[in-house]
Amino acid sequence: GAGVSQSPSNKVTEKGKDVELRCDPISGHTALYWYRQSLGQGLEFLIYFQGNSAPDKSGLPSDRFSAERTGGSVSTLTIQRTQQEDSAVYLCASSTSSGGARFGPGTRLTVL
Amino acid sequence: QKEVEQDPGPLSVPEGAIVSLNCTYSNSAFQYFMWYRQYSRKGPELLMYTYSSGNKEDGRFTAQVDKSSKYISLFIRDSQPSDSATYLCAMSGGNTGFQKLVFGTGTRLLVSP
Repeated sequence: GAGVSQSPSNKVTEKGKDVELRCDPISGHTALYWYRQSLGQGLEFLIYFQGNSAPDKSGLPSDRFSAERTGGSVSTLTIQRTQQEDSAVYLCASSTSSGGARFGPGTRLTVL
Repeated sequence: QKEVEQDPGPLSVPEGAIVSLNCTYSNSAFQYFMWYRQYSRKGPELLMYTYSSGNKEDGRFTAQVDKSSKYISLFIRDSQPSDSATYLCAMSGGNTGFQKLVFGTGTRLLVSP
């Protein structure tokens, strides 16, 4: 079946601009996660949505970052006033309530 | 101290070798344990998923969890050059069940022909 999809696959933006990254999870998955991965680094947790519960936003690095999940499905990660240190691959994953999260291909963000 | 510790490698082995990859962790609440494989410039791919302690086998891959020692392992039998990738362990769990995934930093594996 279809996996997790993310768009765009690549995004180049100028410092100070806002960007929106989209994630389409696997149908029926109640949990959705955003992570980011800088070059040669591990995965950094950003935010976690589980069903109708309040999201776990404890990983968002600053108030420039926000995410929403509409209708328990599609999620958008928004970065306002982008900075060069925001350059990374942003990964989305989804899972059932019992785990086994599956990742999308990621969005490679470059801030000039 | 990080919640999950993983040797970054690289681990270099000849084709056909048995590979052992390991992670240790500090949070006794973790109940769900996963191994992911990540090729360069790709998203992580779920390889193995286990709940609580014990072993799980899938083809050439075996995952082991020892909760008493807070230690998990992934064994790869008859390793192939195509197994060359970064292997990430991940864990989850708490009082309310499955929660956010906490990852190790990954071990880079190189299998030479």
